[in-house]
Amino acid sequence: AQSVAQPEDQVNVAEGNPLTVKCTYSVSGNPYLFWYVQYPNRGLQFLLKYITGDNLVKGSYGFEAEFNKSQTSFHLKKPSALVSDSALYFCAVRDIKRGRRALTFGSGTRLQVQP
Amino acid sequence: GAVVSQHPSRVICKSGTSVKIECRSLDFQATTMFWYRQFPKQSLMLMATSNEGSKATYEQGVEKDKFLINHASLTLSTLTVTSAHPEDSSFYICSARDQGQGLTEAFFGQGTRLTVV
Repeated sequence: AQSVAQPEDQVNVAEGNPLTVKCTYSVSGNPYLFWYVQYPNRGLQFLLKYITGDNLVKGSYGFEAEFNKSQTSFHLKKPSALVSDSALYFCAVRDIKRGRRALTFGSGTRLQVQP
Repeated sequence: GAVVSQHPSRVICKSGTSVKIECRSLDFQATTMFWYRQFPKQSLMLMATSNEGSKATYEQGVEKDKFLINHASLTLSTLTVTSAHPEDSSFYICSARDQGQGLTEAFFGQGTRLTVV
């Protein structure tokens, strides 16, 4: 079965500092990996995805993520955090081999950027 | 990007009544839509996969008679919570993929906050 782990419930960072939100995954085949952001009482907004190719993926709002196959990780990063980045972030995976079309989500990480 | 619209965004209903939630793909056709449930401070849990023109596929532990799903057209899926009870209070989110564009990411509706009193 496919699974996603986000080991940190919350990440605190000062505005202007770099941020990292961690994600590791487990699938039987090659993964499709995604990051989504959720603001209070809202649906999820797509940030970026890794399908194949370059391991460093750039997405919306200055976010990027690095796919590391040997460590089965897909950490989300941003060079300089903004207060407006404060939200709930979800990592998700879709297992290509199993053909499962729905996403499996991690538990979420709350990012708090302090002014 | 593709847009998924979900309605209503918030609903309060009395215990024992039924509530219908709509999920529409506004600018693409979706043969498959997904319904998730999210409890406070928790992740999204897949409830069911809605298939246009056929029966929905429910995840283990989800009562199909309790959560009725209808996907009558390529742009609309509905979730009806029947005989709602306070424990059904939750945040319900739908999603769909624009497979016609070969896109792999799913787009999500705004979510529906259901409160059963």
